[in-house]
Amino acid sequence: EDQVTQSPEALRLQEGESSSLNCSYTVSGLRGLFWYRQDPGKGPEFLFTLYSAGEEKEKERLKATLTKKESFLHITAPKPEDSATYLCAVGSSSEYALNFGKGTSLLVTP
Amino acid sequence: ETGVTQSPTHLIKTRGQQVTLRCSSQSGHNTVSWYQQALGQGPQFIFQYYREEENGRGNFPPRFSGLQFPNYSSELNVNALELDDSALYLCASWGTGENTEAFFGQGTRLTVV
Repeated sequence: EDQVTQSPEALRLQEGESSSLNCSYTVSGLRGLFWYRQDPGKGPEFLFTLYSAGEEKEKERLKATLTKKESFLHITAPKPEDSATYLCAVGSSSEYALNFGKGTSLLVTP
Repeated sequence: ETGVTQSPTHLIKTRGQQVTLRCSSQSGHNTVSWYQQALGQGPQFIFQYYREEENGRGNFPPRFSGLQFPNYSSELNVNALELDDSALYLCASWGTGENTEAFFGQGTRLTVV
């Protein structure tokens, strides 16, 4: 059974204090690993898809990396507007569903 | 903005009632998925439609049903509402091709009282 575990559950950073969010996964045939950002009461906003181990993608202050067992979302010099819940999801080659973790709630304070 | 729109944005229903939620998918996307997100949890897969046929279903009872129309818009119907059905309901549309992403709408917040 596919499993996705995100850590930490919550993270509080000072503005400019870089850190990483972790997503550990088990899946039978990875179709893709997806990162989303979700603001309170809103739908998830797509950030990245990673398809194979060793792949990296960047967008502004965010960088996502992938190994065979986990993915990291690195946040460099975060700003208060980066505060949100970050969701990780895996898609397997054997089913259509995205299997989501519970998310990491990030708070960046000025 | 993803181009995926859901309606209504909020609604309140009484236990035992029925509800219909609607989703217009992004232009050119022929696959729609529905997810339920309880407070503090990640989204849980309900089912998926491809070209008007259900082609995947999560661990939800039959009182959760859906439709997809020729223009690829979709409905989620829930009968005999229970208090635990209170959640954010998300619709996602997928493009065609092997490597595509799911783009989500803003969600419908359903409260069952």
